[in-house]
Amino acid sequence: AQSVTQLDSQVPVFEEAPVELRCNYSSSVSVYLFWYVQYPNQGLQLLLKYLSGSTLVKGINGFEAEFNKSQTSFHLRKPSVHISDTAEYFCAVSDVRNEKLTFGTGTRLTIIP
Amino acid sequence: EADIYQTPRYLVIGTGKKITLECSQTMGHDKMYWYQQDPGMELHLIHYSYGVNSTEKGDLSSESTVSRIRTEHFPLTLESARPSHTSQYLCASSEITGQGRIGYTFGSGTRLTVV
Repeated sequence: AQSVTQLDSQVPVFEEAPVELRCNYSSSVSVYLFWYVQYPNQGLQLLLKYLSGSTLVKGINGFEAEFNKSQTSFHLRKPSVHISDTAEYFCAVSDVRNEKLTFGTGTRLTIIP
Repeated sequence: EADIYQTPRYLVIGTGKKITLECSQTMGHDKMYWYQQDPGMELHLIHYSYGVNSTEKGDLSSESTVSRIRTEHFPLTLESARPSHTSQYLCASSEITGQGRIGYTFGSGTRLTVV
C-alpha cells in the first residue's frame, strides 16, 4: 500500500517571496510522483511529475520539485510567488505496478499582497 | 484545454431525487475514474473502470453506481440523493504509455448539494 503525507494544511506567503510545499510518500515499490493544483471551483491541473531520471523536475507556472529517494520526499518550490498562485496543491503518488493514484490531503497556499 | 467534460458544474437537488452526473472524454483513454472531494479535503477514489463493461469500487465506499457502455462515457448515478451525498465529484481518465500509466486528466468537477 502507498500513502502520501502533506505536512502543511495551510501555507500563507507574502507576494514575491519563495515557497516550499512539503510532501512525503510511503511505498514498498517503485512510484511515480505528481503535483496537481486546484484553483477555486475548478478541477485538478497537473503542475509537474517525476517518472525517472533527473531528480529536479520543472513544471508549469515556474514551479519545480525535487525527488529525494532517501528521504521519500517530493517537495514543491517556487522562488517568487504571485497572487495568482493562490490555490490548493495536491501531491500524489502512483504505484507503477497497480496504477493506483493516491492523493495527499492538500495544502492551501494563500498569497498575501 | 480540457478534453474531459463534466456536466452539470453545479447541481442543487432535493432529498430522494435520482441524479446522474455526466462525464465524457475525447482522448480515447481506456481507464476512467470518479473521485469524491469534500470541501478542503483530499480526494477519495469511489469508482473506476478499465474499459467498456468494466467497473470497480474504489477505496471509499459510495452509494453511487457507474456504468461504462462506451469508452468515452462514464456516468455516475445516485438513485436517491441524501444530504450526506453533498460533495464535489471529479471525473478523470488516463491512458497506458510505454512508461506506464503516467497521464491523468481531470474534469472541472460537479459540485452537488442535496437539500
